[in-house]
Amino acid sequence: QSALTQPASVSGSPGQWITISCTGTSSDVGGYDYVSWYQQHPGKAPKLMIYDVSKRPSGVSTRFSGSKSGNTASLTISGLQVEDEADYYCCSYAGGSDLYVFGTGTKVTVL
Amino acid sequence: EVQLVESGGGLVKPGGTLRLSCAASGFTFSSNSMNWVRQAPGKGLEWVSSISRSSRYIYYADSLKGRFITSRDNAKNSLYLQMNSLTVEDTAVYYCTRTNAGGEDFDYWGQGTLVTVSS
Repeated sequence: QSALTQPASVSGSPGQWITISCTGTSSDVGGYDYVSWYQQHPGKAPKLMIYDVSKRPSGVSTRFSGSKSGNTASLTISGLQVEDEADYYCCSYAGGSDLYVFGTGTKVTVL
Repeated sequence: EVQLVESGGGLVKPGGTLRLSCAASGFTFSSNSMNWVRQAPGKGLEWVSSISRSSRYIYYADSLKGRFITSRDNAKNSLYLQMNSLTVEDTAVYYCTRTNAGGEDFDYWGQGTLVTVSS
C-alpha cells in the first residue's frame, strides 16, 4: 500500500485560507468515509483535527474543515493564524493488509 | 483526562529486540482498539499495528514482515509492542494511539518513545 499523496508545502498569509489535498485510490480514500487529518508541531505528538472526512473533534477550531471527492480528500484552513504553522498529515482506513495509510505530509507556512 | 504514556525505547544493535509499553489512563481501556504509529527522524507518519478491544484481531503493516508482535493486557490498561530482528530502518519515534470508538481515526496519542537501531 503506497502512502497517500500530499503537496510537500503550502503557504499563506494570516487571515487567508489554504487547502491541502490528499490523493489516494479507490481502495482507501475513495472506498471509505474514514479520512482523518492530524496536525503536528515540531517535537510534538500529532493531534486529531478532522475525522470521518469532515467531522471536527470537540475543541478544534471551526476554521478547520474537511471534504472528499472521489479519491481525493481535502483539508481547508480558513482565517490562517500563526499557530497553524505545522505539518499536516491525512490518513485513510484501507481495510486491507495495511489497515491504515498515512499521507506524505504537508508543511504549512504562515507568511 | 485520557493519557497514553509510552516507555521502553532506547538504543539497540541491529538484529536486537526491544519491547515497548504504553500505559493508558482516563478511559475504559477495554472499550477501544489501540494502535502503534511510528515516525522516522525527519519523515512522515507510518501505521505499524492495530489490536482490537479483546485482542481477537491484530493487524500489522506489510513492511514489518512478521518481526513485530502487538499485545494488550486489559487488566493492566497496557499495550505492548515486541520488536524483533530490528534494522536501522526501524529507527523512529513510536507512538501509542487510541482508535476513536465507532470510528477509524486516532483520537489520542502518547508523547512517543524513541527507538534507535545502530551498531
